[in-house]
Amino acid sequence: SQKIEQNSEALNIQEGKTATLTCNYTNYSPAYLQWYRQDPGRGPVFLLLIRENEKEKRKERLKVTFDTTLKQSLFHITASQPADSATYLCALPGAAAGNKLTFGGGTRVLVKP
Amino acid sequence: GAVVSQHPSRVICKSGTSVKIECRSLDFQATTMFWYRQFPKQSLMLMATSNEGSKATYEQGVEKDKFLINHASLTLSTLTVTSAHPEDSSFYICSARPPGGAYEQFFGPGTRLTVL
Repeated sequence: SQKIEQNSEALNIQEGKTATLTCNYTNYSPAYLQWYRQDPGRGPVFLLLIRENEKEKRKERLKVTFDTTLKQSLFHITASQPADSATYLCALPGAAAGNKLTFGGGTRVLVKP
Repeated sequence: GAVVSQHPSRVICKSGTSVKIECRSLDFQATTMFWYRQFPKQSLMLMATSNEGSKATYEQGVEKDKFLINHASLTLSTLTVTSAHPEDSSFYICSARPPGGAYEQFFGPGTRLTVL
């Protein structure tokens, strides 16, 4: 069955450093992959989408890579700030029609000043 | 950007009662909305896909008679948790996709349900 794995351990990082999160998937060949941010007690907020034919995508201080051979996406937050502290979720569309999303377990990031 | 609202944000009810949660797309029409539930420190689990004008499609293991979904208009979907029990306590979140082929989903702020 399809499986999406994110590091369940929280990532503690010093302000100004780059945070790197990993999303691995198996038994699946998605046409695209998405990253969301979720703050405690809130719904997720869409950040970036990267398609299977794109190696890298950037948005401000965020960078996403997508390696369909390794079945892995990396999510980078450069020059991290305390306000970046949140849980980051990767999501892939289901194999069936309807573009339903399946979410990874999320990785919590804590940026310390 | 697209905005999705949910109401109420929090609800506490007694066991056996029914609770209705509303999900609205404020500035776009959504023929499809999605309902998720999330337990503490866990990821979002899709419960059902709400289709305007037709029956909802439920994920495996989700009781359709327990979680009633009605997509009455292009901007409103409701989830009713019937005869709620403490194990139904969770964070319920809806999402919608704007028309035009975009793949990203816009999520509501969520509803915290506590069943006593």
